[in-house]
Amino acid sequence: EAGVAQSPRYKIIEKRQSVAFWCNPISGHATLYWYQQILGQGPKLLIQFQNNGVVDDSQLPKDRFSAERLKGVDSTLKIQPAKLEDSAVYLCASSSLGILFNEQFFGPGTRLTVL
Amino acid sequence: AQTVTQSQPEMSVQEAETVTLSCTYDTSENNYYLFWYKQPPSRQMILVIRQEAYKQQNATENRFSVNFQKAAKSFSLKISDSQLGDTAMYFCAFVPDRQGGSEKLVFGKGTKLTVNP
Repeated sequence: EAGVAQSPRYKIIEKRQSVAFWCNPISGHATLYWYQQILGQGPKLLIQFQNNGVVDDSQLPKDRFSAERLKGVDSTLKIQPAKLEDSAVYLCASSSLGILFNEQFFGPGTRLTVL
Repeated sequence: AQTVTQSQPEMSVQEAETVTLSCTYDTSENNYYLFWYKQPPSRQMILVIRQEAYKQQNATENRFSVNFQKAAKSFSLKISDSQLGDTAMYFCAFVPDRQGGSEKLVFGKGTKLTVNP
């Protein structure tokens, strides 16, 4: 079974530029998560999708971050314009849908450096 | 709001020895899950072990075991017979058991474990 795929793995941009990250979850997983992991901290949830609907985006800085999950499969996370404090690893995770809690499987992440 | 605290930013252990990583959490929920995740330098987060709060028996997975103290809100990870491949960041995480709701994992800041040869 293929795991969660993310691209690019690394990205370096200047502040005020735009950037987009892509995630392909495990086949059949209805729930998709984007986490931000700043150096020295644990991951923090930015947004959670169930199929193509948003379940939780309470910690997403909506003035500059946006995310979509077209057709309930792949997802993109965009930052426009980027700030220095956006430098972090962006992790995508997915899980199947069920009555009980289902394990989240993580991708390798995208390391963003904003100069 | 739920919080997870890992008080040991860094730890080291000699190969083949045993090490314990600490984690405490704060919640008003009665039903929840606790996890330890491993994040090697390649950065892919891997689930090491999970514990359901309603289970009194501590979870074990091969060389990994937990000491779950619900009243004290403590959830430590013991790694026995440490191996070089255990070198990684270890994150303690919490999620409430809510059907149909957000399954947001709340992570601690992590403990960097180094296994020395």
